[in-house]
Amino acid sequence: DIQMTQSPSSLSASVGDRVTITCRASQSISRSLNWYQHTPGKAPKHLIYGASTLRTGVPSRFSGSGSGTEFTLTISSLQPEDFATYYCLQYNSYPRTFAQGTKVEIK
Amino acid sequence: EVQVVESGGGLVQPGGSLRLSCEASGFSFSNEWMDWVRQAPGKGLEWVGNINQDGSQKYYVDSVKGRFIISRDNTKNSLYLQMNSLRAEDTAVYFCSRTLVDLGQGTLVTVSS
Repeated sequence: DIQMTQSPSSLSASVGDRVTITCRASQSISRSLNWYQHTPGKAPKHLIYGASTLRTGVPSRFSGSGSGTEFTLTISSLQPEDFATYYCLQYNSYPRTFAQGTKVEIK
Repeated sequence: EVQVVESGGGLVQPGGSLRLSCEASGFSFSNEWMDWVRQAPGKGLEWVGNINQDGSQKYYVDSVKGRFIISRDNTKNSLYLQMNSLRAEDTAVYFCSRTLVDLGQGTLVTVSS
């Protein structure tokens, strides 16, 4: 199974800050990576597919990059509604695997 | 608007069974792979399994193989998760998903005596 690891596990940031989350795969997954945003009690929200393609309707302050084994999610200017937990998921092979998540909290 | 709505969660004893349902709308259900994802209390998201368009291909995470069965009824735009031999560690919110793109709000399954 492909193991996915995110760092950091949590971070504190202020509105307007630039935030970067890293996701690493235990073996190459090409660009088969999704990013999600999840707030407790709500449906996980799909943000990015193919490592860097923003889903329609997702604000342009979100961006993704990377290929192979290392990927990043960047929020260019953190907004109040962005405080949530973020997950990456590989869909290159079965079983699909999520990383453990990064909780973005208000500083 | 794409919608997937889960139902069927509840309290079940260890070793028991439960069947979850997911009703889909707003897209061509019969043309899409469908997935189940879960989140145990205080834990992250975990992929459970998926099924292809006609139900001929199914994949599962190792921890549920042989106990859970995913099925679908394209005439009813519905996805199902039959969960047997339930364990305490299966306690989670279960999310239905259109191809890991659109997820529902989930239904809570609690396995406890």
